[in-house]
Amino acid sequence: EAQVTQNPRYLITVTGKKLTVTCSQNMNHEYMSWYRQDPGLGLRQIYYSMNVEVTDKGDVPEGYKVSRKEKRNFPLILESPSPNQTSLYFCASSLDRWDQPQHFGDGTRLSIL
Amino acid sequence: GQQVMQIPQYQHVQEGEDFTTYCNSSTTLSNIQWYKQRPGGHPVFLIQLVKSGEVKKQKRLTFQFGEAKKNSSLHITATQTTDVGTYFCAAGGSNYKLTFGKGTLLTVNP
Repeated sequence: EAQVTQNPRYLITVTGKKLTVTCSQNMNHEYMSWYRQDPGLGLRQIYYSMNVEVTDKGDVPEGYKVSRKEKRNFPLILESPSPNQTSLYFCASSLDRWDQPQHFGDGTRLSIL
Repeated sequence: GQQVMQIPQYQHVQEGEDFTTYCNSSTTLSNIQWYKQRPGGHPVFLIQLVKSGEVKKQKRLTFQFGEAKKNSSLHITATQTTDVGTYFCAAGGSNYKLTFGKGTLLTVNP
């Protein structure tokens, strides 16, 4: 089954404790991205990747890092999480362009205390 | 950067009533996509519009792309409780990013 898999689905952690949210897709997609969703603000892009080893900032990249060492994986790293990063996070992928239909993962709800 | 304004933010209807959400941009869009997110779920792609004036239908859903390619709408005829969710438009621009509107939350009273 074609899918985007995120882990964990839920996480409660404390300020400053490094965490990684994993994202993996099995569709051989080249374009991948991370979004955060906050009430009243919609979906905002954090980082995106056009292909392996090619990443760039989205609209709200501060406090986040990403890597794209393999085509299927695109982890989101919070080196020193803060409470304002409490949010619902989605990973998405598309075939090879940003303006193609996006396939979203089920989401990761992060709470930073 | 590119901005996409979506209205209304919320819409509550009685089952059987129609519903429309609008998406507007100040710049010409190369294409526009529509997504639906059920409560507690993730956004799911519905449709993509590319051509000026394009109209596409999916059962009770009608999608339109404006002649100037700066606006779009999603119309649902005779809403059902299964239509509940947030509807997002998303615009693809020249900056390698897809920009989402803030969404319209539709609730349906049975």
